[in-house]
Amino acid sequence: GDSVTQMEGPVTLSEEAFLTINCTYTATGYPSLFWYVQYPGEGLQLLLKATKADDKGSNKGFEATYRKETTSFHLEKGSVQVSDSAVYFCALTTGNQFYFGTGTSLTVIP
Amino acid sequence: DTAVSQTPKYLVTQMGNDKSIKCEQNLGHDTMYWYKQDSKKFLKIMFSYNNKELIINETVPNRFSPKSPDKAHLNLHINSLELGDSAVYFCASSQDEKLFFGSGTQLSVL
Repeated sequence: GDSVTQMEGPVTLSEEAFLTINCTYTATGYPSLFWYVQYPGEGLQLLLKATKADDKGSNKGFEATYRKETTSFHLEKGSVQVSDSAVYFCALTTGNQFYFGTGTSLTVIP
Repeated sequence: DTAVSQTPKYLVTQMGNDKSIKCEQNLGHDTMYWYKQDSKKFLKIMFSYNNKELIINETVPNRFSPKSPDKAHLNLHINSLELGDSAVYFCASSQDEKLFFGSGTQLSVL
């Protein structure tokens, strides 16, 4: 069945460090891929998405490229800020059902 | 103004009680969901409704019963609460492959 695997956390970085959170997927069809972010005490919100191979999603300095050959959608940011501290979820959908990874907690220290 | 709103935000109750969580969305979406998030942030789909019809019903105890009086509302009723039901419950709606989450209901069963 369809599934998403993302790197375990927690991840702790200093401000302005480079961030990578790995995500790989398994899907029978042609999924759309997403990164959602959850700030403390809030629900998840869409960070970025990509709908087909080689698409790059980007938002708020975060980027992820849909790599069909490696079935990956790694999240990157060149310079993290304290305000980026949150839990990040990789997800996919091939229809009405969404599949989420286990979440990666990121803490950015000043 | 809130797109997906759920109440209450916090719910503390004794084992064996029956409780309900309400959810409303003002986005005009046809599909709504209930997710359960455990203490490790793992997100699990419970139910999905499309235009008031149940389309996803994952392996959830039958003590959990969703009710959709109209396509803007999806309430969750839980009978005979157990300690293991303690979690954060999120309502969500979707359109065009985007999920919109409520801010969550933190349920604590004592």
